[in-house]
Amino acid sequence: GENVEQHPSTLSVQEGDSAVIKCTYSDSASNYFPWYKQELGKGPQLIIDIRSNVGEKKDQRIAVTLNKTAKHFSLHITETQPEDSAVYFCAASSRASKIIFGSGTRLSIRP
Amino acid sequence: DGGITQSPKYLFRKEGQNVTLSCEQNLNHDAMYWYRQDPGQGLRLIYYSQIVNDFQKGDIAEGYSVSREKKESFPLTVTSAQKNPTAFYLCASSITSGSYTDTQYFGPGTRLTVL
Repeated sequence: GENVEQHPSTLSVQEGDSAVIKCTYSDSASNYFPWYKQELGKGPQLIIDIRSNVGEKKDQRIAVTLNKTAKHFSLHITETQPEDSAVYFCAASSRASKIIFGSGTRLSIRP
Repeated sequence: DGGITQSPKYLFRKEGQNVTLSCEQNLNHDAMYWYRQDPGQGLRLIYYSQIVNDFQKGDIAEGYSVSREKKESFPLTVTSAQKNPTAFYLCASSITSGSYTDTQYFGPGTRLTVL
């Protein structure tokens, strides 16, 4: 069945360094890839998304890359700050109303 | 102030009781969704609705029921048939464009604990 694998499950980086989270998907028809940030006790918030007709998208310190051939996509956060500490989820979708989520990455920023 | 609201934030239930979680949105979105989140896991889809008076089962619908009588409301009932209901429940909504996947926006969640 459809599956999204996310790595690593936990990530600790020094403040100011970069963080990279990687995801792979199984459904080759997937065409929409959102990333969500979830703070403790809150609902996930969309931080960036990319569609399959684009290879890379950037929004200030956050960027997402997509490799359709290899069926993987990554989230890059540069110049990390304490407020970046949260759980990040990747997701993939091939049709309306069906989004498959990864298992999440807990990112910690060390001062 | 547009958005998605869920109530209550915390809910405690005794075994054998049904409980209903509220989800309301004023974004004029057509589609609404319910997800379940367990510790250390991703989100799993319980039910979704693309239009009023219609809804579809997700991956883990057993033990749950929903209704969609109004566009802005999509309540979820956790029945006594749900074996392990303790979890964090998230409601989401999106504009629906048929086959085109639209961004889903989430509410703040309801944490349900069975005593």
